[in-house]
Amino acid sequence: ETGVTQTPRHLVMGMTNKKSLKCEQHLGHNAMYWYKQSAKKPLELMFVYNFKEQTENNSVPSRFSPECPNSSHLFLHLHTLQPEDSALYLCASSQAGLAEETQYFGPGTRLLVL
Amino acid sequence: AQSVSQHNHHVILSEAASLELGCNYSYGGTVNLFWYVQYPGQHLQLLLKYFSGDPLVKGIKGFEAEFIKSKFSFNLRKPSVQWSDTAEYFCAVNYGGSQGNLIFGKGTKLSVKP
Repeated sequence: ETGVTQTPRHLVMGMTNKKSLKCEQHLGHNAMYWYKQSAKKPLELMFVYNFKEQTENNSVPSRFSPECPNSSHLFLHLHTLQPEDSALYLCASSQAGLAEETQYFGPGTRLLVL
Repeated sequence: AQSVSQHNHHVILSEAASLELGCNYSYGGTVNLFWYVQYPGQHLQLLLKYFSGDPLVKGIKGFEAEFIKSKFSFNLRKPSVQWSDTAEYFCAVNYGGSQGNLIFGKGTKLSVKP
């Protein structure tokens, strides 16, 4: 248990559905991250939030929409996804978003898009 | 483009064998270097990291890594592996102090035979 929880753990959705992934951290951190882990590809950073402000968007398609209402919660809203978006989505947090900080990861949401 | 290479996809060792997992990165400026590990069924967690000082870094469970700037490498080592070291190991690099923007390698799966 790392202090970062993610729900749901598994999600199956059609291409026309709208769903949201939720991440919550209980570590008192101020930076939160979304990563995508696809089969046979490196873990890819999607978004970074620092003190609730988005500081990084790694050219992620607009069908993925992040939301960070406070430093403890991070959402990823999903809309009209494609089958190639099927992957494990990991959330992480760190103290203040500094380069040398350890990131603490959640268990991930396994997403399947049909 | 900035990238991280892990040379071995899957390494199989017997208990008590020595381990070295390779990691090379593509950029020559300021870097912060990390090894993360994912044990079966568990979260991704930090094994060790380097951001300044002694280039030989010691981590948890007897692991160590050496930062060799001239070779752009940060190889992970352990003199004698145990069955419980069976896991997937990920090298990650933060380039130029860009906050928490980590670039991961594809990972190396280590299987230790009892």
